[in-house]
Amino acid sequence: EADIYQTPRYLVIGTGKKITLECSQTMGHDKMYWYQQDPGMELHLIHYSYGVNSTEKGDLSSESTVSRIRTEHFPLTLESARPSHTSQYLCASSKTTWSEAFFGQGTRLTVV
Amino acid sequence: QQQVKQSPQSLIVQKGGISIINCAYENTAFDYFPWYQQFPGKGPALLIAIRPDVSEKKEGRFTISFNKSAKQFSLHIMDSQPGDSATYFCAASPSGNTPLVFGKGTRLSVIA
Repeated sequence: EADIYQTPRYLVIGTGKKITLECSQTMGHDKMYWYQQDPGMELHLIHYSYGVNSTEKGDLSSESTVSRIRTEHFPLTLESARPSHTSQYLCASSKTTWSEAFFGQGTRLTVV
Repeated sequence: QQQVKQSPQSLIVQKGGISIINCAYENTAFDYFPWYQQFPGKGPALLIAIRPDVSEKKEGRFTISFNKSAKQFSLHIMDSQPGDSATYFCAASPSGNTPLVFGKGTRLSVIA
C-alpha cells in the first residue's frame, strides 16, 4: 500500500469558490506530481515539483496553482472553480523521475 | 503532440487468452518504460517496467517486449483473468529530470 494520501476523495462545489486539494506522502520523495484524468482515462500532467520551493507547470494548461513548502505536502489550489474544472485529480510521488511513481486514490471534483 | 502512442483504446479478451497492448514512441532519449494498471476508484499502480538494454522482461503472467530499433514496446498478459480487467497505461521517461509521459490508456475487459 502506497503512503500517499489525497483529501478529499470527493468534492462538489459551486462556481467561483476557492478550493484546495490536499496531497501528502510519507516516503520522503522529492518528486511530486499532479495529474488531471479525464473521463476518457487519459492522464494529463498539470504540475510537478522536484523538491521544496520547486514547482513547474506541466503539459496541460491549468488555472490551478501549487506550492511545495514541505517535502511531504503538495497542495493544489483553484482560486475560482468553474464547471470546466470538473475532473479527477491524481497526485503522485517518486524517488526519481525514472523510478516507480506512487499515486494517491484521487480527488473527484465536480463544480456546479 | 502525443509522445507515446498506445493502442488499442479498448480490448475484450476471453478468460485464459492473451491480452496484448502496444505502445510506440519517437523520442530516442527515452530510457525507462513502465506499465501502470488502474482499477476503478484507484490511482494507477506500477505493474512492470523495462529499460532498453533488454528486449524482454517477465513477471509472472505479465511480459514486456521491447523493440529498440522499431521504438515500440508491448505488454502481454498471459492466461488473462477477470481480475485483470482494468485500464493499462504505458509510459516513458528520459534520463534526467523529466516526468513520465503516459499513453492514453487501454481499457481491458476479460470475460468468462
